[in-house]
Formats: sequence, structure tokens, C-alpha cells
Amino acid sequence: DTEVTQTPKHLVMGMTNKKSLKCEQHMGHRAMYWYKQKAKKPPELMFVYSYEKLSINESVPSRFSPECPNSSLLNLHLHALQPEDSALYLCASSQEGRVGGNSPLHFGNGTRLTVT
Amino acid sequence: AQSVTQPDIHITVSEGASLELRCNYSYGATPYLFWYVQSPGQGLQLLLKYFSGDTLVQGIKGFEAEFKRSQSSFNLRKPSVHWSDAAEYFCAVGGSAGNQFYFGTGTSLTVIP
Repeated sequence: DTEVTQTPKHLVMGMTNKKSLKCEQHMGHRAMYWYKQKAKKPPELMFVYSYEKLSINESVPSRFSPECPNSSLLNLHLHALQPEDSALYLCASSQEGRVGGNSPLHFGNGTRLTVT
Repeated sequence: AQSVTQPDIHITVSEGASLELRCNYSYGATPYLFWYVQSPGQGLQLLLKYFSGDTLVQGIKGFEAEFKRSQSSFNLRKPSVHWSDAAEYFCAVGGSAGNQFYFGTGTSLTVIP
């Protein structure tokens, strides 16, 4: 069982919809991440929150809006998405607040998003 | 620049055979190295990690990896593959030289009976 929980598992939305992806971890980790993954590709980093503050935004379009309400929760708000945004969205956390150090990423099982 | 190369896009092995997945990295400081496995429709699961010390590290599910600094490699091995090992495998590097983890492009493993 994964210690990072993502909901929903699957989401289908139209291009005019607004929806949110949710992620939760109770391991006391200080950094949380959103990744986007296309089929047969590695995860691509989108956002990183370190100590509940946005520390990295990898030039993600504004139709994706992250939010970190507290140290255990991470949301990704979606609005006016395009069909090419269809992908597996993975949340991850790491114990260290500093990104890219020796603290491994712990991944959730992802949300499979389809934009119609 | 930081990068990870997995030369093999796809590997097919027979059940019970040995396995080696290759990973080469480029990193400007002491690397921290990881192997992840991803089954279809799932997230990435950490198999093992190397930070320092013994260059042969043991992981879960019977996997091991060897760090070779002179070759900038961190190859993953398993002596006897099981059908359930069929999955996508990603090598990743982190450390003090960058502000994120760098993933390889992945190796897809097929196991035939």
C-alpha cells in the first residue's frame, strides 16, 4: 500500500470544466511534488512545495494551479485544459524540504486524467 | 549538466533468467542514485537507493544495484526474474548539484514464460 494517497483515481473532464486533484501524506514529509507522466515516458516535474511554500514551478501553464493547504495536503486545480493535458498525474513527497537531495521520492498511484 | 541515461528501451527475458538493467548518469557533485519500478496503472515504487558506503546495495523484491564511480553507472540486477517483475524501470539521480531529481527515460521489461 502506498503512503501517498491520491484522489480521484480516474477523472474525465471537458475543456471548459474546473476540477481538482488531491494528494495526502501523513509521513511528516516536508516537500511535496506534482509530476505529469505520459505513457512510456518518465515523470515530468511540474511543481514542488517545500515547507508548504511553492519552491519550483517548471513553467507550467496557468491552467494548472497548485495549492498546499497544509503540510499533509496538496491540491492541483485544473481549468480550461486541453486534450494534450491528458496524462497520469503523480503526487510525491520527500522527507527533506530541500529538493533533489538524498531523500527519496515516495509516489502515490496517480490520477489518470482524460480531457475531452 | 545533470542527466541519466538508460540505454535499453525494452528488454525481454525468460522467467528464471538473470536480469541487468543499465543506468549511466552525469552529475556535477556526489550523486544520490535511485531505482524505481512502475507497474501498469500504478505510481513509482522505490526499489533501492545509494548514498554512500558499500557500492553494492540491496533492495526490495530481490533486486540489487552496484555503483561504479569510474564508469558513472548504477546498474540494477536480479539473479532470477519472476513474471511479476514485468514493469517499467526508472533510474534517477539527485544530490547537492541540482534542485530536483533527474529521471532516465525508463526500461520496459517483458518476462516470457
